[in-house]
Amino acid sequence: EPEVTQTPSHQVTQMGQEVILRCVPISNHLYFYWYRQILGQKVEFLVSFYNNEISEKSEIFDDQFSVERPDGSNFTLKIRSTKLEDSAMYFCASRPTGPKNIQYFGAGTRLSVL
Amino acid sequence: GEDVEQSLFLSVREGDSSVINCTYTDSSSTYLYWYKQEPGAGLQLLTYIFSNMDMKQDQRLTVLLNKKDKHLSLRIADTQTGDSAIYFCAESRTSGTYKYIFGTGTRLKVLA
Repeated sequence: EPEVTQTPSHQVTQMGQEVILRCVPISNHLYFYWYRQILGQKVEFLVSFYNNEISEKSEIFDDQFSVERPDGSNFTLKIRSTKLEDSAMYFCASRPTGPKNIQYFGAGTRLSVL
Repeated sequence: GEDVEQSLFLSVREGDSSVINCTYTDSSSTYLYWYKQEPGAGLQLLTYIFSNMDMKQDQRLTVLLNKKDKHLSLRIADTQTGDSAIYFCAESRTSGTYKYIFGTGTRLKVLA
């Protein structure tokens, strides 16, 4: 069964460093999302992406964040200068066109900022 | 506004039924979902319901939707130890970017 894959599963970085979290969505999906979950808290929407541009972003998604679909398969989330409070689990999701809006999630990347 | 609330914990004995509740505030939501998260793992879709339905059954899972009260519940029949996990409800609309708004999550503990 096709699945969303995310790499790495765990990323440790120093405060102020740039990180890139990678996702390979399901191949025929056209809508892509990033969410994050700070430990013990709810899953929060960060950004949605369609047709090579951001379609919506949350207040969390400030100038330090960017997303890109550099080729036909990868979808990346970049954090330019990480802060301690960026430590969280980051989930990528994708969905096909159609009325059900079922999003398929990857296993997540745990980002630890030291 | 957009807010989805769930109780934080639920403990049941193996073989009993579990009922996990969720309330939402956005009346324009028309899709509602239940996801399961096991320790260290991602979000696994369990089931979903459209707002024009009030009940959906899928094997051991029953979803009830009370649109008037904006209340959603997930019933797991014959709960097993493998059902121990965090359960998230989520809502989305039928327009815009279809982003999900997640609840706080309910940690279900099944006692043997």
